[in-house]
Amino acid sequence: AQSVAQPEDQVNVAEGNPLTVKCTYSVSGNPYLFWYVQYPNRGLQFLLKYITGDNLVKGSYGFEAEFNKSQTSFHLKKPSALVSDSALYFCAVRGPGGSYIPTFGRGTSLIVHP
Amino acid sequence: DTGVSQNPRHKITKRGQNVTFRCDPISEHNRLYWYRQTLGQGPEFLTYFQNEAQLEKSRLLSDRFSAERPKGSFSTLEIQRTEQGDSAMYLCASSSWGSGNTIYFGEGSWLTVV
Repeated sequence: AQSVAQPEDQVNVAEGNPLTVKCTYSVSGNPYLFWYVQYPNRGLQFLLKYITGDNLVKGSYGFEAEFNKSQTSFHLKKPSALVSDSALYFCAVRGPGGSYIPTFGRGTSLIVHP
Repeated sequence: DTGVSQNPRHKITKRGQNVTFRCDPISEHNRLYWYRQTLGQGPEFLTYFQNEAQLEKSRLLSDRFSAERPKGSFSTLEIQRTEQGDSAMYLCASSSWGSGNTIYFGEGSWLTVV
């Protein structure tokens, strides 16, 4: 069975400071990892993914994520937070074959203070 | 590419009534997913289609729920004899090999059962 843990329900950061949103995963085989963002009353928007290759993945809106196989983590990062980054962030994982169905974490609410 | 379209966006219904949601995936995406999301939770998988074939169903999908994808294009999710516990946002997503295994979500359909 595949699973995702997002250990922080909420992350608070001041505008201009770096931010990190944590994600750890469990899956059989090489993981396919994803980050999505959700604004109030909206669907989920794709930010970035890791499938293979460089462990540091760059995505939309200046976000990046680092894949760490030994720690089974895929933390989302941004060097300088904006107030407009305030939203819900979801990490997702799926295994390499067969079922193409990602499992999502419970989400982390990011609040960026002016 | 117009994205994943879901209708209606909001539905209020009385307990015991039937409701149907429609999803139009991104054109040429052969995989289609339904998820359910409640407040404070991440998306929970309900069912998955590859073309017109329903390949997986979650145990969350009770016998009051049915989904179809005739001709492998749009999909419908019907909930019969709605209960208050069915109140949630129902998310549709689609993907294909060409999308790099990324699933793209629609804006969701909110269901409130009163």
